[in-house]
Amino acid sequence: ILNVEQSPQSLHVQEGDSTNFTCSFPSSNFYALHWYRWETAKSPEALFVMTLNGDEKKKGRISATLNTKEGYSYLYIKGSQPEDSATYLCAFPSGSARQLTFGSGTQLTVLP
Amino acid sequence: DAGVIQSPRHEVTEMGQEVTLRCKPISGHNSLFWYRQTMMRGLELLIYFNNNVPIDDSGMPEDRFSAKMPNASFSTLKIQPSEPRDSAVYFCASSLRGGSNSPLHFGNGTRLTVT
Repeated sequence: ILNVEQSPQSLHVQEGDSTNFTCSFPSSNFYALHWYRWETAKSPEALFVMTLNGDEKKKGRISATLNTKEGYSYLYIKGSQPEDSATYLCAFPSGSARQLTFGSGTQLTVLP
Repeated sequence: DAGVIQSPRHEVTEMGQEVTLRCKPISGHNSLFWYRQTMMRGLELLIYFNNNVPIDDSGMPEDRFSAKMPNASFSTLKIQPSEPRDSAVYFCASSLRGGSNSPLHFGNGTRLTVT
């Protein structure tokens, strides 16, 4: 199983601040990189599936970039709101069946 | 679309008892996954089915765990006998197709407590 690492582990920001966090993954044999948002007491919800180097995807105030050559993806949140508070997970397909291996997540708390 | 449906939402059982968790994937999705969430290990994949066939069960912790998918609309995860260390939240997820490019759709999870 290949390692997917996320940083920071947790993050507190003030409402209105913009923020970003990182997902690192092995750069060899790249297939795709997934981002999920996981609110407390709910289930993970897919944000993006990224497949192309240099790709940038956007969903409202949330965007993500991908660098497959160096093995990292950034997730950006512009103008954070309290409802953005959640754990953000990235996942990388690995193994013979390319099943998703999840990182440990970045726990974001947006303070009002 | 009702999403992925899991039952029960909560299960409390005594050590040694058999536990069966159920999952109905989204109609038309041909891949189904069982994950377990614990504080120590985060979200870990237990087993992955594609077109009702188990593709990778290397994450199943031991022989006490078994999973079946008798048809495209139903899967079970069974623990027999259960132990306190099996206490966790178990998630079922489905995706439109196998491989790596389809996002996973998660159910609400089953919180299992084994006393």
